[in-house]
Amino acid sequence: QVQLVIQESGGGVVQPGRSLRLSCAAPGFTFSSYGLHWVRQAPGKGLEWVSFISYDGIDKYYVASAKGRFTISRDDSKNTLYLQMNSLRPEDTAVYYCARGICSSDNSCYKIDYWGQGTLVSVSS
Amino acid sequence: DIVMTQSPLSLPVAPGEPASISCRSSQSLLHSDGHSYLDWFVQKPGQSPQLLIYLGSNRASGVPDRFSGSGSGTDFTLEISRVEAEDVGVYYCMQGLQTVTFGGGTKVEIK
Repeated sequence: QVQLVIQESGGGVVQPGRSLRLSCAAPGFTFSSYGLHWVRQAPGKGLEWVSFISYDGIDKYYVASAKGRFTISRDDSKNTLYLQMNSLRPEDTAVYYCARGICSSDNSCYKIDYWGQGTLVSVSS
Repeated sequence: DIVMTQSPLSLPVAPGEPASISCRSSQSLLHSDGHSYLDWFVQKPGQSPQLLIYLGSNRASGVPDRFSGSGSGTDFTLEISRVEAEDVGVYYCMQGLQTVTFGGGTKVEIK
């Protein structure tokens, strides 16, 4: 089985109310053909879906707690996905994963097949 | 939002014994294409999640055939026919019909 490499970056320690931009590089596949997700995992907790962007960048969805604060975007020329996180809160502390989605034409995704290793975001004063 | 409920929370299993995890959704996961948009993942200690099963019953590439998924509508099951030591981890179900939501996870450990 071929393992695609997906690499997140941009995590770190940030104070509440500040901003951070995460990046996800995925050079090993035709980036523009896929929907992409951000999924997070707070320390010792389960998986929580955060955001999705469709293959063409037109459709974007967010978990309720991220709406109005987070913005997902993509640059297909750089095979890179972004997550701009503003007004960060302590409850945003988590490992953030980037993952590739296999989705139908209505953006329902029936498969999330490749995940990065994650980048840790810690929001603390 | 679709809520995913898994049981049990913890599952101790002796090597070679079978294991079964249940996942229930608050709404049917049947897509207009006739498939159930339900995946199963495992997260082994210190690793990222790995896809095991997609569309309810299809094994992902490289997944051993001791793993199987079944169910439809709102009730789904992941079965491991003979648990091995390498199967230790947290198992999650996920629906992809309306955005994405995950179940709370089931921790499989060896007795």
